[in-house]
Amino acid sequence: ILNVEQSPQSLHVQEGDSTNFTCSFPSSNFYALHWYRWETAKSPEALFVMTLNGDEKKKGRISATLNTKEGYSYLYIKGSQPEDSATYLCALIQGAQKLVFGQGTRLTINP
Amino acid sequence: KAGVTQTPRYLIKTRGQQVTLSCSPISGHRSVSWYQQTPGQGLQFLFEYFSETQRNKGNFPGRFSGRQFSNSRSEMNVSTLELGDSALYLCASSPLPGQAYEQYFGPGTRLTVT
Repeated sequence: ILNVEQSPQSLHVQEGDSTNFTCSFPSSNFYALHWYRWETAKSPEALFVMTLNGDEKKKGRISATLNTKEGYSYLYIKGSQPEDSATYLCALIQGAQKLVFGQGTRLTINP
Repeated sequence: KAGVTQTPRYLIKTRGQQVTLSCSPISGHRSVSWYQQTPGQGLQFLFEYFSETQRNKGNFPGRFSGRQFSNSRSEMNVSTLELGDSALYLCASSPLPGQAYEQYFGPGTRLTVT
């Protein structure tokens, strides 16, 4: 069974601080990695889709890196704001082309 | 552009009944995927449809089925409901098949089985 691990499970950060969290996955048969942000009472929103080893993507204050050889991706948030409070999900596709989600990192920004 | 819509938003059913959930994708999107979200298991892939054909299926029993219509709208059906089927059911659309493309999620249908 494919295992996508996210750490930490939850995180409390002061407003203005920067933070990062990890998505770990088996490195074999890698196809693509997705990051989603899921705010309470809303739908999951796509942040990034990453396919190449060494990929770095950025959207505003949020960025992500990908290392397919060692099986991990980092998501960084610079200068956290209250609106960044959400659960951040990563999801992996291997050769079977089925998205497998991690359990998520629940981020809370304290004002 | 209107987002993905799902109906109904909330549903209460009794064990043994069946239920049908509906999903309308973003205009122009032809791929629709369904997911189940439970506190214990997280978000799990159910199936993906493209051009009215099921392209991929997750590890769920045959009680879970779906279909897609020529206008790309999709329905999923769960027969003989069990208590463990209580969950948030999300559908997502994308312009092309294969889940390498970002998924645009709907608001979900919250199903409670009593």
